[in-house]
Amino acid sequence: DAEITQSPRHKITETGRQVTLACHQTWNHNNMFWYRQDLGHGLRLIHYSYGVQDTNKGEVSDGYSVSRSNTEDLPLTLESAASSQTSVYFCASSPKTSGGYNEQFFGPGTRLTVL
Amino acid sequence: SQKIEQNSEALNIQEGKTATLTCNYTNYSPAYLQWYRQDPGRGPVFLLLIRENEKEKRKERLKVTFDTTLKQSLFHITASQPADSATYLCALIMNTGFQKLVFGTGTRLLVSP
Repeated sequence: DAEITQSPRHKITETGRQVTLACHQTWNHNNMFWYRQDLGHGLRLIHYSYGVQDTNKGEVSDGYSVSRSNTEDLPLTLESAASSQTSVYFCASSPKTSGGYNEQFFGPGTRLTVL
Repeated sequence: SQKIEQNSEALNIQEGKTATLTCNYTNYSPAYLQWYRQDPGRGPVFLLLIRENEKEKRKERLKVTFDTTLKQSLFHITASQPADSATYLCALIMNTGFQKLVFGTGTRLLVSP
């Protein structure tokens, strides 16, 4: 069965360290997204990609970067982790269609703690 | 400023009753609206989509309405069951911003036996 996976599921790191969160999907979806979820804010879009070599900034992109070298993966990198980046991170994917309104399929999330 | 509001307080209802959750938005003009379910420790799961020109959409025990004049969507679960207990998120999709979702903060639903 097709799926979307994230690793690690839990991560504790220190302020200033570089951290990379992995996202892998076997749906063969063109579109991939990274969100963070915090109490009181809901899900906020960090970065998104509409295909290989395409990346775009979302609402809260400062301090984060992504790269898309193949269809299946969209790793999220925190260049220099800060305590404000303690959060739960979700990766999602969706197929490319002309309508622009397809459902997104979410991964299980990564809980990141920055000490 | 742009806002999407969902009740931050949990909604408690008895099994068998109809649960009604509200999603209000301001300063947005969404072309579509989606509802997702999220269980603790898991990612959101898509439930329903409704277009701006649709008033109502149904799927089994679920019903969604979309009133672009009131800038509001209502999400109903009829004959609710304890297994329906979860957090429900609404998400807006604009005509611009292909595929980008803007999420509300979600409402937690608790269905008691």
